[in-house]
Amino acid sequence: DQQVKQNSPSLSVQEGRISILNCDYTNSMFDYFLWYKKYPAEGPTFLISISSIKDKNEDGRFTVFLNKSAKHLSLHIVPSQPGDSAVYFCAAPSPRSQGNLIFGKGTKLSVKP
Amino acid sequence: DAGVIQSPRHEVTEMGQEVTLRCKPISGHNSLFWYRQTMMRGLELLIYFNNNVPIDDSGMPEDRFSAKMPNASFSTLKIQPSEPRDSAVYFCASSSGTQGPPQHFGDGTRLSIL
Repeated sequence: DQQVKQNSPSLSVQEGRISILNCDYTNSMFDYFLWYKKYPAEGPTFLISISSIKDKNEDGRFTVFLNKSAKHLSLHIVPSQPGDSAVYFCAAPSPRSQGNLIFGKGTKLSVKP
Repeated sequence: DAGVIQSPRHEVTEMGQEVTLRCKPISGHNSLFWYRQTMMRGLELLIYFNNNVPIDDSGMPEDRFSAKMPNASFSTLKIQPSEPRDSAVYFCASSSGTQGPPQHFGDGTRLSIL
């Protein structure tokens, strides 16, 4: 039973345009959500988070939106750059095990010059 | 600032051999996590330590897998005997608390069991 789902395995976007990465979840008790970015042959790195009491968090070109009624969050990257090409993981804290994160399967973003 | 350090980066070994993966967490972090990444299942937690004590090992696939954290600066994940289906990338991560602080990941060990 996947509590955090990323239904798009890949996304291709032109440089300069907006990238929108989506994530759905099933547990309404999640306190916060995180996005990680992963380059090949490297570990995931933390990108941005959002508390469940907010509906938007912005950090430079990256904005995360949370729609609690739809149990959906999205990561917007504007403008997209070729260096943003990576796998993006959505994650939420496990309600069963404090400190543990539940990860989606990731979306591979390709930004074409 | 040294991040989470994992060794080896790559391991290729024959089925049946013992494999030991190593992790040095970020100094001062008191939580340590072992993950496995495969195409089919994505990133899955194997075991989680807090203050060197295993808190949740429900993700450990079977008795062939064991993990230890003898002190705050070192952890091992051991597979004995190894099988081809154990081939995956194994990540170690650490964090400074049980809630809120994001986990910092090492660059992983790519394990291939022939």
